[in-house]
Amino acid sequence: DAGITQSPRHKVTETGTPVTLRCHQTENHRYMYWYRQDPGHGLRLIHYSYGVKDTDKGEVSDGYSVSRSKTEDFLLTLESATSSQTSVYFCAISSNGQGAGDTQYFGPGTRLTVL
Amino acid sequence: EDQVTQSPEALRLQEGESSSLNCSYTVSGLRGLFWYRQDPGKGPEFLFTLYSAGEEKEKERLKATLTKKESFLHITAPKPEDSATYLCAVHNAGGTSYGKLTFGQGTILTVHP
Repeated sequence: DAGITQSPRHKVTETGTPVTLRCHQTENHRYMYWYRQDPGHGLRLIHYSYGVKDTDKGEVSDGYSVSRSKTEDFLLTLESATSSQTSVYFCAISSNGQGAGDTQYFGPGTRLTVL
Repeated sequence: EDQVTQSPEALRLQEGESSSLNCSYTVSGLRGLFWYRQDPGKGPEFLFTLYSAGEEKEKERLKATLTKKESFLHITAPKPEDSATYLCAVHNAGGTSYGKLTFGQGTILTVHP
């Protein structure tokens, strides 16, 4: 198994509160990704990082921000959580990004409920 | 816009009853097609990557094939432990999004003993 951990694994919060999810990897991979998974929508990319302090938006980035100060950690922040952000969040890592042969490996997920 | 459609949405099989899952895709430039397995409450687990039409890969009871428009995941003599959701994703060769995968919604496979 790829060395990816996510914390917390479960969280319940209230609308309007800030929330930070953490992804930690031990593989020293350059690329890291945050996805959300919802019934009827599949996995959708929120943000990704292609190096320390280098991040960019995915297809569903509104309401989310990210930071990467170290190779091993990628943080996802919901500045003011809304009920529409109730979802399961997955972190993924890859070594080669756009390169052929690259594979993304996923973490165990964080289930977030916003009341 | 890249699109991935998986069918059927759900498939129930008896143990030993072989079948196939389909993944149809539309992408401007295919860099790779990925199959993942996802168990309830867990993250997707990588199975295969296919790069060009005609390519095939096998792992135990699973065999993935690729054409220019679709991929099949063939399951031979499935066992109850093969029950899971199977996800297909495509990697677009163009654009500036690093490693951007477009996922299908998955096929839920249930294998009854």
